[in-house]
Amino acid sequence: QKEVEQDPGPLSVPEGAIVSLNCTYSNSAFQYFMWYRQYSRKGPELLMYTYSSGNKEDGRFTAQVDKSSKYISLFIRDSQPSDSATYLCAMSAGTGNQFYFGTGTSLTVIP
Amino acid sequence: DGGITQSPKYLFRKEGQNVTLSCEQNLNHDAMYWYRQDPGQGLRLIYYSQIVNDFQKGDIAEGYSVSREKKESFPLTVTSAQKNPTAFYLCASSIATNTGELFFGEGSRLTVL
Repeated sequence: QKEVEQDPGPLSVPEGAIVSLNCTYSNSAFQYFMWYRQYSRKGPELLMYTYSSGNKEDGRFTAQVDKSSKYISLFIRDSQPSDSATYLCAMSAGTGNQFYFGTGTSLTVIP
Repeated sequence: DGGITQSPKYLFRKEGQNVTLSCEQNLNHDAMYWYRQDPGQGLRLIYYSQIVNDFQKGDIAEGYSVSREKKESFPLTVTSAQKNPTAFYLCASSIATNTGELFFGEGSRLTVL
């Protein structure tokens, strides 16, 4: 079983839609959770960083962590064509410098 | 602006040649990492370093080597022993070992001809 599972998509939505991206994980020691946006041929850009459970909002983006279900989500409101990218989830227990990544979900927002 | 600079952005190599990818950060981060990204496989850890003059192998270290002589710099050498070196290489850094925030450079695309 992989440490982190992420549906690769691809996901295609119309402009203005609410997008939900999800990851599940198996290691209950994970306490740091991140979402990255990666455009083609570019490095991943850190979008959201959450410690432990709960919600975090930043503009159109909301990250949710449910540690009891080992499930994290990223919501994008009022999606824009510029949101078209691959979204990676990542997590860490905070020790040993080990980060675990999902394989990424490809998102296309259609104008 | 603070950040991580990788160079070159694109690199072509003939089989049997060693190549070195540069990674420099001005974030004053202690920890630095090299990942390899292949389509459909996610990011795989090659090497990481927590402090100067110390580094550890990751999951796929065979055929790669690194050095950490300065806090700001963590170059990666792809040796001729790496059987399938064509990939997108990402350098990253984090402020310390007990935090989860990881920042990436723009990547280096290596193609073996």
